[in-house]
Parts: sequence; structure tokens; C-alpha cells
Amino acid sequence: DVVMTQSPLSLPVTLGQPASISCRSSQSLVHSDGNTYLSWFQQRPGQSPRRLIYKVSNRDSGVPDRFSGSGSGTDFTLKISRVEAEDVGVYYCLQGTHWPLTFGQGTKVEIK
Amino acid sequence: EVQLLESGGGLVQPGGSLRLSCTASGFTFSSYGMSWVRQAPGKGLEWVSAISGSGSNTHYADSVKGRFTISRDNSKNTLHLQTDSLRGEDTAVYYCAKGSFQLGDFWGQGTLVTVSS
Repeated sequence: DVVMTQSPLSLPVTLGQPASISCRSSQSLVHSDGNTYLSWFQQRPGQSPRRLIYKVSNRDSGVPDRFSGSGSGTDFTLKISRVEAEDVGVYYCLQGTHWPLTFGQGTKVEIK
Repeated sequence: EVQLLESGGGLVQPGGSLRLSCTASGFTFSSYGMSWVRQAPGKGLEWVSAISGSGSNTHYADSVKGRFTISRDNSKNTLHLQTDSLRGEDTAVYYCAKGSFQLGDFWGQGTLVTVSS
């Protein structure tokens, strides 16, 4: 199975400052169809997960443009350009290239 | 508006069974794969199972293979997860999500399964 490793697991941030979360996969996420199925999810306290980014860098509808995704192969990053109070929660990466699908462990973002 | 509504959770003894359901609306259900994702109390997300739009292809996590069965009824816009031989480690909130390998543009609110004697 593909292992997804996120870092850091805890990320205290200052309001208005940038934040970055890394996600590394144990094997390449490039699918035979040429796409890379790496997604990012946000889970606010007490809520269902919400997808922010799909196929590495595509923002879902309604997601603020302060969220961006980048990377390739086995190395991926989620960036928040300026953290707002509503961004508090746990962030997960998910690979959809190889069965079984696997999530990262989660990164808890909190305000300093 | 896309809506996913899970049901069927509850308290069950170890070794018991539950059938979870997810009723979908707001999109052409048969055109999309669907997935189940679970979250144990205080833990992260774990993908459980996925099924293609037609129902002909299914996939399972190793942790549930042979015990859980995913299915769908496209005439009723409903997704199911039959959970058998339940264990304590299956205690979790179970979410249904639209999509399979590209899951997650829409999620349900979840249904809690508690396995305990």
C-alpha cells in the first residue's frame, strides 16, 4: 500500500502569516492515464471533511484562493498564503492513484 | 444541491452486523463512483471502500476486506455498506463521499458505529 507521510503533524500559525504542509508518498502518484490523483482536505472541528484541492493543484468550487497546492511525483505541498481564524482544523492529503486509497495522518493547524 | 444522507449506524456487539446506507440527491447518482470513509474517535480519516457508478467494480481497505461489502441501488440513488464480523476497532463515524479515486467533492454528515459489549 502507498504510505502518505505528512509534516508537520502540528502547525501553530500566526493570523495573517503563511503556512505550509508537506505530504510525501512512498511511490509515485502519477497514474497510467497521466494524471496525479493527490487531493487535500480540511476538517474543521465537529464537521465533515471538505475537499480543497484535487489533482495536485486544482481548487474546488468556493475554496478561497489563499489555498494552493503544488508538487509532483512523490512530493506535494499545501500552502495557505495568509492564515485566517476559520482555517483552524486538521488537514489531510489523499492519494487516489493506487488502490487501496490512503490518507496522510493529518496536520493540525491552530492559531498561536 | 448535492446532498448525501447516511443512516444505519448504532451500537452493536462484537461479531455483529450493521447495514449502513447513504441516500444521494442533487446529481446523477449512477454516473459517479461512491466511497465510504471512516474516522475512529479522535483519529484521522481512513478510506474503507469504493464502488464504480455501475456497481461492477469494488475496492476495499485490507482492514475490512472479507468482512464489509459495498453495493449500490441506482434506481433508488442509494449506497450501502454491509458490515459483518464487527470488531472494536471498527468503531468510527462512517462517511459516504461522492466519487471513487477522485472522491470527496461532497460528503455526508456521517453515521456513528459503536462496537461494544
